[in-house]
Amino acid sequence: EDQVTQSPEALRLQEGESSSLNCSYTVSGLRGLFWYRQDPGKGPEFLFTLYSAGEEKEKERLKATLTKKESFLHITAPKPEDSATYLCAVLTYNNNDMRFGAGTRLTVKP
Amino acid sequence: NAGVTQTPKFQVLKTGQSMTLQCAQDMNHNSMYWYRQDPGMGLRLIYYSASEGTTDKGEVPNGYNVSRLNKREFSLRLESAAPSQTSVYFCASSETGRNQPQHFGDGTRLSIL
Repeated sequence: EDQVTQSPEALRLQEGESSSLNCSYTVSGLRGLFWYRQDPGKGPEFLFTLYSAGEEKEKERLKATLTKKESFLHITAPKPEDSATYLCAVLTYNNNDMRFGAGTRLTVKP
Repeated sequence: NAGVTQTPKFQVLKTGQSMTLQCAQDMNHNSMYWYRQDPGMGLRLIYYSASEGTTDKGEVPNGYNVSRLNKREFSLRLESAAPSQTSVYFCASSETGRNQPQHFGDGTRLSIL
C-alpha cells in the first residue's frame, strides 16, 4: 500500500537555526511530490512540486529536494513567520492516487 | 481575489441530521476536490471532480455524496451525519487534474454530536 511518512512530527527551532524536514514515501510509481504550508485555521498553501529524483526547487528560505525514496524541505535561517505545519503529498501512477503525510509542525522562536 | 470559498466555516450537527457543505472557486479551474483532515492524519480525499459533469470516489467516500453544480461550484452532502464524520473539511481546485498544484479553501469545521 502506498504510504507517506513525515518526520519529525514537531520541530522547534531558534530564529536563524537551519534544519530539514523529511518526507519519505513508498509508492508504486511516483508522478510528483508536492509540498504545502498550512497555517492554523487555514487551508494548505502550495509551495513546490518535484517530479524526478535529483530535482531541487527554492523559494526564499526554503529549498525542496527529491530522491527516489524521500524528499527534504530545507529551511535556512528561519524566521518566526516560517512557523506553520508543512505537508507533503505524493501523486502516484496508481489510479492517480494522491497521498498526504500527516505533516511536520514547525515552530520558530525569536 | 477570493480563490476558493467554503461555507459555512463552522457547523454543529446532531447524529442523523443532514447538511450540505458549499464550495466555489473563481479561478476558472476544471478540477475540484473534497478532503477531510483529522488530527494526526494526512488529508484524505473524499471525492474528486476532474471536470464539470464528472465525479469520482476518493479514499474515504462512504457516507458522503457530491454534486458538481457547474464549473465553479462543488458541494459535499452528508445525508445522515455520524460522530465519525466530525472533522475539518477542505475543498480545493486545480487547473486540470491532480498533477497540478491545488488551491485550498480555509475549511469547514464540522462537529457531530
